[in-house]
Amino acid sequence: GNSVTQMEGPVTLSEEAFLTINCTYTATGYPSLFWYVQYPGEGLQLLLKATKADDKGSNKGFEATYRKETTSFHLEKGSVQVSDSAVYFCALFSGNTGKLIFGQGTTLQVKP
Amino acid sequence: NAGVTQTPKFQVLKTGQSMTLQCAQDMNHNSMYWYRQDPGMGLRLIYYSASEGTTDKGEVPNGYNVSRLNKREFSLRLESAAPSQTSVYFCASSEGGPTANQPQHFGDGTRLSIL
Repeated sequence: GNSVTQMEGPVTLSEEAFLTINCTYTATGYPSLFWYVQYPGEGLQLLLKATKADDKGSNKGFEATYRKETTSFHLEKGSVQVSDSAVYFCALFSGNTGKLIFGQGTTLQVKP
Repeated sequence: NAGVTQTPKFQVLKTGQSMTLQCAQDMNHNSMYWYRQDPGMGLRLIYYSASEGTTDKGEVPNGYNVSRLNKREFSLRLESAAPSQTSVYFCASSEGGPTANQPQHFGDGTRLSIL
């Protein structure tokens, strides 16, 4: 079945450091891929998405590229800020099932 | 913009009690969803509704019932709460049907503890 695996957290970085959060997936067909962010005490917000192979989603300085050959959608940011501290969820949507499948989430802590 | 509104934000129940979690969206979305979020497990789909008057089971429906009261509202009911249902519950909505591959918009969650 479809599944999403994210790197274990928490990830702790200093401000202005480079961020990578790994995400790999297993799916039949051609799923769409998403990153959601959850700030403390809030619901999930869509951060970026990619709907086909080699697409790059980007938003607020974050980027992720849909790599079909490695079944990956890693999240990157060149220079993190304290305000980026949150839980990040990778997710896939399969039109075959009509379901959004989430990874377990990765907590990011950015220290000044 | 209100978006997706969930009530209550926090609730403590005793085992065996019942309660209904409320969700309303003001974006005229067709589809609505209920998830639960547990540590280390991401979000798991409990039930969803592709349109007014229809509901379908998700990944973890046991112990829950839902009602799509109208296009705006989608409630989740625990008939006899169990400690295993202690979780954070999120309601979400999306434009179009579940297969339309459109982003889901989430509420702020209901933190439910069952003693």
